[in-house]
Amino acid sequence: DSGVTQTPKHLITATGQRVTLRCSPRSGDLSVYWYQQSLDQGLQFLIQYYNGEERAKGNILERFSAQQFPDLHSELNLSSLELGDSALYFCASSSIPGGGSDTQYFGPGTRLTVL
Amino acid sequence: AQKVTQAQTEISVVEKEDVTLDCVYETRDTTYYLFWYKQPPSGELVFLIRRNSFDEQNEISGRYSWNFQKSTSSFNFTITASQVVDSAVYFCALSEGRITGGGNKLTFGTGTQLKVEL
Repeated sequence: DSGVTQTPKHLITATGQRVTLRCSPRSGDLSVYWYQQSLDQGLQFLIQYYNGEERAKGNILERFSAQQFPDLHSELNLSSLELGDSALYFCASSSIPGGGSDTQYFGPGTRLTVL
Repeated sequence: AQKVTQAQTEISVVEKEDVTLDCVYETRDTTYYLFWYKQPPSGELVFLIRRNSFDEQNEISGRYSWNFQKSTSSFNFTITASQVVDSAVYFCALSEGRITGGGNKLTFGTGTQLKVEL
């Protein structure tokens, strides 16, 4: 158990809908990262927050947004869902904002299925 | 731009065989970090090891060992005396060392599926 929690574990929804994925980082970690794992794109970085502020952005679609709250949990919002958004979404946390010297610990993931 | 290549898509071995998973990386940074993660069939990503670019010493942890060679930009992972429980997808990943506005995102390889059979 990494100490990172994600809810829900599974999510099934329809095209055009909006969903929210939730992540709680390990105790003491201030950085939260979101990644998407799909069959065609592999594991891709979406976005990073550090202590409530956006720190880095990757290949995140405009239909997707995220935020980190004062209690450090983070939410990833996916809207106008398309079939191609079906994927495993991971949250990871680390204790420092950047520099690569810290390890990212991953949650169990949320499997999103868009029908 | 950073890139990680794991050329082996799938490897099948018989239990107790040794197996090496290859990882080749590209980066323009002089300071960077390399990682291996394991993704068992249950789906979670489990951290295995982190190495920085200034430390080329090989590392051994039980049946696992890692060989880091800057000259060939490789960070290979060997499992000695493989077991069925080692069956998983293994990912190699790279992150920058500089603290920039870009944080330290991980760039992953495509993964190697390891199947260990009895």
